Formats: sequence, structure tokens, C-alpha cells
Amino acid sequence: SYVLTQPPSVSVAPGQTARITCGGNNIGSKSVHWYQQKPGQAPVLVVYDDSDRPSGIPERFSGSNSGNTATLTISRVEAGDEADYYCQVWDSSSDYVFGTGTKVTVL
Amino acid sequence: QVQLVQSGAEVKKPGSSVKVSCKASGGTFSSYTISWVRQAPGQGLEWMGRIIPILGIANYAQKFQGRVTITADKSTSTAYMELSSLRSEDTAVYYCARTIAVAGVDYFDYWGQGTLVTVSS
Repeated sequence: SYVLTQPPSVSVAPGQTARITCGGNNIGSKSVHWYQQKPGQAPVLVVYDDSDRPSGIPERFSGSNSGNTATLTISRVEAGDEADYYCQVWDSSSDYVFGTGTKVTVL
Repeated sequence: QVQLVQSGAEVKKPGSSVKVSCKASGGTFSSYTISWVRQAPGQGLEWMGRIIPILGIANYAQKFQGRVTITADKSTSTAYMELSSLRSEDTAVYYCARTIAVAGVDYFDYWGQGTLVTVSS
């Protein structure tokens, strides 16, 4: 089965840049999507197809994907960005796969 | 604007079944794909299965094969997820999500609010 690995936590000061990685075998050949989940709430799509943003998502959220690592970058981090973030791909043998999740803490 | 509204929390005994509903508004329900994703307390997201209402075809994650049934009622724009033979490990929040699946780009763009299912004797 296909596995996506994320760091358990990332800490960042307000105004700085947070980078969340998502590692998977040849993930650069797949389309990667990212979700933000705040406590007690449903996930929200923040990036799809590696680097596209849904309507209403700030430009501060961006994505990239190459080789064995995809990255979600949050620029000019705000207190409201504190949440869990999950990457996700579709794999022909594993169907929909989510990453292990990363808790972003704003210091 | 698509909205997915789920049924309320459930408490079930081990060995029983639960059926959760997901009513859609906005867009054309029949053309959606609806997936079900669950999240155990303090854990990550896990895909369970999906249905294409216009085709009436459902497919399931291998882990849940034989225990989960996903259906849809086009007349009421409602999808259902039934999980049987419940055990304590099935205690989780269950989400429905509209699924975009186009040319290898597969993701979830709208989510229901979640339904907590607690399995306890």
C-alpha cells in the first residue's frame, strides 16, 4: 500500500514561513492535495492538484511537488493558521491515501 | 455553493450497525461522487468508500469490504453510509465529502460537518 509521511509537528512564529512536507515514493508523479483541519471542525481543502488554490483560500497558501516530496508552504503565518494539515493522493492500488498529519503551532 | 449536512451523533452497542446520512444541496447531486472518510479520536483521516449516484456504483476500501455499504437516494439528494458489526475501534467522527475525480486528480472539495459514532457497551 502507498504511504504518505508527514512530520508530526511544525512550529513557526507569526509572520514567518511554515513548510510542511509530505513524503511518498515518487510522489512527484501524483497529484497532491492539502487539507487544513481546526479542532472540532471538518477538513477544508487549501491546495489541490499540487499547487492550485480553491476560491477563498489566501495566496499565502502554496504547494509544490517533485521527486519523493510534496510541500505545503504557508507564508506570513497568522494565529488563525494554527491547525492540523493533511496531504492526500489517489493511488491505483490504495485508492485515497492521507498523510499522517502535521500539527502547526504558531508561537 | 455545495452544502453537505449529516445526521446527528449516534451511540451504538458492539455488534450492531449504524447508518449515517448526508444530505446535499447546491449543484447536481446525481453528478457528484460522494465519499465517506472517518477520523478516530486523536487520529488521522481514513477513506472508507465512495458512490457515484448517477451510476449507483459504490466501491470500498479493502479494510471495510463486507462491513460497509454506501448508498444514495437521488430523489432526496442524500447519501448513506452503513457500517455493521461495530466494535469499539469504530468509534470515530464520520464525514461525507464531495469527491472530484478527473483524469487522475482526485480530491475532496466539500465536506459535511461530521457525525460522531460512539461504540460502547
